[in-house]
Amino acid sequence: GENVEQHPSTLSVQEGDSAVIKCTYSDSASNYFPWYKQELGKGPQLIIDIRSNVGEKKDQRIAVTLNKTAKHFSLHITETQPEDSAVYFCAARDSGYSTLTFGKGTMLLVSP
Amino acid sequence: NAGVTQTPKFQVLKTGQSMTLQCAQDMNHEYMSWYRQDPGMGLRLIHYSVGAGITDQGEVPNGYNVSRSTTEDFPLRLLSAAPSQTSVYFCASSYSRVRPTDTQYFGPGTRLTVL
Repeated sequence: GENVEQHPSTLSVQEGDSAVIKCTYSDSASNYFPWYKQELGKGPQLIIDIRSNVGEKKDQRIAVTLNKTAKHFSLHITETQPEDSAVYFCAARDSGYSTLTFGKGTMLLVSP
Repeated sequence: NAGVTQTPKFQVLKTGQSMTLQCAQDMNHEYMSWYRQDPGMGLRLIHYSVGAGITDQGEVPNGYNVSRSTTEDFPLRLLSAAPSQTSVYFCASSYSRVRPTDTQYFGPGTRLTVL
């Protein structure tokens, strides 16, 4: 099955800085890569996703890049704000079972 | 729309007790799933369903049962609770498993402690 590795496990930045979270996946046939944000005491919420036929996608301060050859994808947050503080999960869609496999999460702390 | 709802929010069980975690969605979604979240382990799939009457196992199915008698409901049953099942449980749903970009919507979670 699919295996997703996520780094770093924690990331501390100053407000206004950029933050980058990286994930690698094992199944070269995976075709869908979403990113979820989980605030304390809540369920994960989709913030951005990318399909395997696209190299980059942007939504305001958030962007995701995908390198299919290297089998890795990254989340970029620019101009970070304290409300960006949360746990972020990457995931990959397993082509064999049509299920999502999640990374172990990154706790992002944005200090004012 | 209420989205995905889960009950209860918190539950404490003794080892060996059984219970059912409830999950319901009002979005007419075909695909529903259960995950458990443990510190440092991310979200791991327990069971999923692609439609009423159809269920399948995920990565960590042992000790759990599911059924899907209606499109709206997908309960998770713990047959004989063990301390290793202490976790936060999330239910999720999406419109279809066939379309690869379908967004999965998560419920607010149930925090379960087994003593």
